[in-house]
Amino acid sequence: DTAVSQTPKYLVTQMGNDKSIKCEQNLGHDTMYWYKQDSKKFLKIMFSYNNKELIINETVPNRFSPKSPDKAHLNLHINSLELGDSAVYFCASSQPGQPYEQYFGPGTRLTVT
Amino acid sequence: ELKVEQNPLFLSMQEGKNYTIYCNYSTTSDRLYWYRQDPGKSLESLFVLLSNGAVKQEGRLMASLDTKARLSTLHITAAVHDLSATYFCAVDEDSNYQLIWGAGTKLIIKP
Repeated sequence: DTAVSQTPKYLVTQMGNDKSIKCEQNLGHDTMYWYKQDSKKFLKIMFSYNNKELIINETVPNRFSPKSPDKAHLNLHINSLELGDSAVYFCASSQPGQPYEQYFGPGTRLTVT
Repeated sequence: ELKVEQNPLFLSMQEGKNYTIYCNYSTTSDRLYWYRQDPGKSLESLFVLLSNGAVKQEGRLMASLDTKARLSTLHITAAVHDLSATYFCAVDEDSNYQLIWGAGTKLIIKP
């Protein structure tokens, strides 16, 4: 059983398009995250939700919009894609009140051409 | 602002050698995490260190935490090629559920 899953695994699209990435976790965790990892492997937190509430909203373009329909799902919608959005996007989850060990999904490699 | 610094950022070493990766941080947190990322793969949790003096070992990897020095080390003993990966440390920022990440250490172990 996959603990944190993401779809799609690869996404190739053209500039200006709108795309979504989906994430689901079956760990029963309350908190979910979106990270962006650039070509230099640097991990940047983008958003975090706790029980469907946005708790971390780092400085990212407002073309990025997260949505959490329930605490097991956190989706990321990106409007008007730009070349600089090309990266690997990771979803993760953790359980607050315990060590904040985060469990990562397999990643979505987004390539904007 | 909490900062987490790893060094070195890149390490190339021969099989059979020992080496240490360092993780310094700027807060008083006593919870530190080590992750491993293989090329093209996701991040996998290696160690969770929850108190001053904590030491954990798995195979050829050993991690320790000194909260007074705000330093964690990841020691590799008699390195083997399979340990080639990027290693990240992260520190708990208790107030807002967030982990603050180091930049990662890319480790290449040559046969």
